[in-house]
Amino acid sequence: EVQLVVSGGGLVQPGGSLRLSCAVSGFTFNFYEMNWVRQAPGSGPESVAYISNSGSVIYYADSVKGRFTISRDDAKNSLYLQMNSLRVEDTAVYYCARKSSYDGREYHYNGMDVWGQGTTVTVSS
Amino acid sequence: IVMTQSPLFLPVTPGEPVSISCKSSQSLLNNNGYYFDWYLQKPGQSPQLLIYFGSRRASGVPARFSGSVSGTDFTLKISRVEAEDVGIYYCMQGLQPPFTFGPGTKVEIK
Repeated sequence: EVQLVVSGGGLVQPGGSLRLSCAVSGFTFNFYEMNWVRQAPGSGPESVAYISNSGSVIYYADSVKGRFTISRDDAKNSLYLQMNSLRVEDTAVYYCARKSSYDGREYHYNGMDVWGQGTTVTVSS
Repeated sequence: IVMTQSPLFLPVTPGEPVSISCKSSQSLLNNNGYYFDWYLQKPGQSPQLLIYFGSRRASGVPARFSGSVSGTDFTLKISRVEAEDVGIYYCMQGLQPPFTFGPGTKVEIK
């Protein structure tokens, strides 16, 4: 079964740090692009970080650039989001999501076809 | 890339057809297809993929859902809406990271 399990959320003070993890199973992790998507209370989704299947290409939303770091460990089938200098406006449910794949020969656009269950990050004093 | 949606709120009657529109600020055409998706987020759940590549139904999505494209205009149609289809529908461009979502269309039963 294809599965993404997110962990690491919690309550943190402004200026603090958290590290989110996304453990994947049921598919060949290193074929897939991965994303962190967050959703603030009452708002729509916001894609905040992207990493290519090889890990060589990374993008961030302007709102988190310089503070968040996305990484992946293919040996551990895991995706990470290191969040530093957290702000009140970073309060949200954070999801990891699988996106398109590259099998070494061909790129397949799949949309964000698998999502984790989300973890809540609350930044408050 | 900016994504706009209409309407933002849509009361529906079960059994009736439904149409939701989305427009991108630039072309999403790539590799002979459109890097564009539709998602449904039901209350308390993660978003789920409905349509990808502009018009392809995701695995397990009922045939009553369909997507179409005309340039930078995208349409999601539900042939006969059912009560389980309530939630917020989002469009998303998957061409340029960070990928951007539309504001969402909230679908409720009348």
